[in-house]
This record gives sequence, C-alpha cells and structure tokens, in this order.
Amino acid sequence: ELKVEQNPLFLSMQEGKNYTIYCNYSTTSDRLYWYRQDPGKSLESLFVLLSNGAVKQEGRLMASLDTKARLSTLHITAAVHDLSATYFCAVDKGGGADGLTFGKGTHLIIQP
Amino acid sequence: KAGVTQTPRYLIKTRGQQVTLSCSPISGHRSVSWYQQTPGQGLQFLFEYFSETQRNKGNFPGRFSGRQFSNSRSEMNVSTLELGDSALYLCASSPAVNTEAFFGQGTRLTVV
Repeated sequence: ELKVEQNPLFLSMQEGKNYTIYCNYSTTSDRLYWYRQDPGKSLESLFVLLSNGAVKQEGRLMASLDTKARLSTLHITAAVHDLSATYFCAVDKGGGADGLTFGKGTHLIIQP
Repeated sequence: KAGVTQTPRYLIKTRGQQVTLSCSPISGHRSVSWYQQTPGQGLQFLFEYFSETQRNKGNFPGRFSGRQFSNSRSEMNVSTLELGDSALYLCASSPAVNTEAFFGQGTRLTVV
C-alpha cells in the first residue's frame, strides 16, 4: 500500500524566512504533485514532477524530486503572507491504480 | 477555458437520505476522479471514470457509487447517508488517464 508522509504538518514562520516542506512516499511512483489549498477552497495545482532530479520553480516556491530516496521537497524562499495555505503532496503510482494518494498536508502560516 | 464545475456547492442532508453530486470536467477532458476530504482522514480517492467506465475505486463502501456520461460529465451518489459522510467532495478532471488532475471547487456535504 502506498503511503505518503509530509512533514511538518504545521508550520508557523515569519515573512522573509526560508523553509522546506518534505514529502516521503513508500513505493515507486510515476509522478508527484504539489497542490495548494486555501481555507474552504479547492486544490490549486502548483507543480508536477515527473522524473528523478526534476526541479521546478514558480516565484518563491521551488519543488524537487529524488525518486531514489522517494523524497520530494517544496522550498519556500523569503516567505510572504500570501503564501499562507495548506500544501499537499500527492503521488500517482501509475497504471491508473487507486488515483492520487495524498499526504496529510502542511498547514503553513506566515506571519508579518 | 472554463474549469471544473461542481454542483451544488453546499448541501445539507438528513441521515438515511441519499444524495447526488455533479461534476462537469474541463472541455476535452475525458477522465474524472472523485475524492473525499475530511479533517480526520484527509484526502481520499473514491473512484475514477474514463470514457464512461469506472477504472478503479478506492476503499469506500458500496453506498458510494458514480457514473460518467458520454459528454464526460460525472455524478456520484451516496445512499443511506451517515453522519461520517459529512465532507468536502472534490472532483478532478484530466485529459486522459495518468495525466495532471485539475480540481473543482468541491461540494460541501453536511449530514445531520
């Protein structure tokens, strides 16, 4: 059974600081996704990581994937209040099996 | 390009009733997946449809069912509602199987 673990589950940080969210998964995966969710809202796709060593950046967010370690990271650079949200990683095992398996999410609060 | 549309946005039902939720995917997308989000269990995969066929199903009781129509629109039905079915139900559409999923705004179901 595929398991996806995120840490930390809760993070409070100050504007201007850097931090990293970690996502570990237990079995081989075809692809890994990062989503953002604001309170009461749906999931917004941030990144799709398809291969070992993949790195993608959008603004202050950068995601990377190490398939050998079964680890993805979401790095936040010089955080701003608008990045406050819950961030989920999700893994697709491939072959159409069982849809996406999500981590429990990281609730991020960025304080001015 | 219109996104994924879910209706209704909010529902309140009584225990024992049944409910039908609707999802219209992004135009041209043929795969629709459903997820349940609760504070306790997080995001869990319900089922996926492609070309009117259910491709796989998550670990949910038979009270949860769905279907997909020839225009790719999908419905999910929950019969004999229980209090624990209260959740945000999210629909996601993809161009094809094993491609990036785009989520709708969700239907917030409350069972009283």
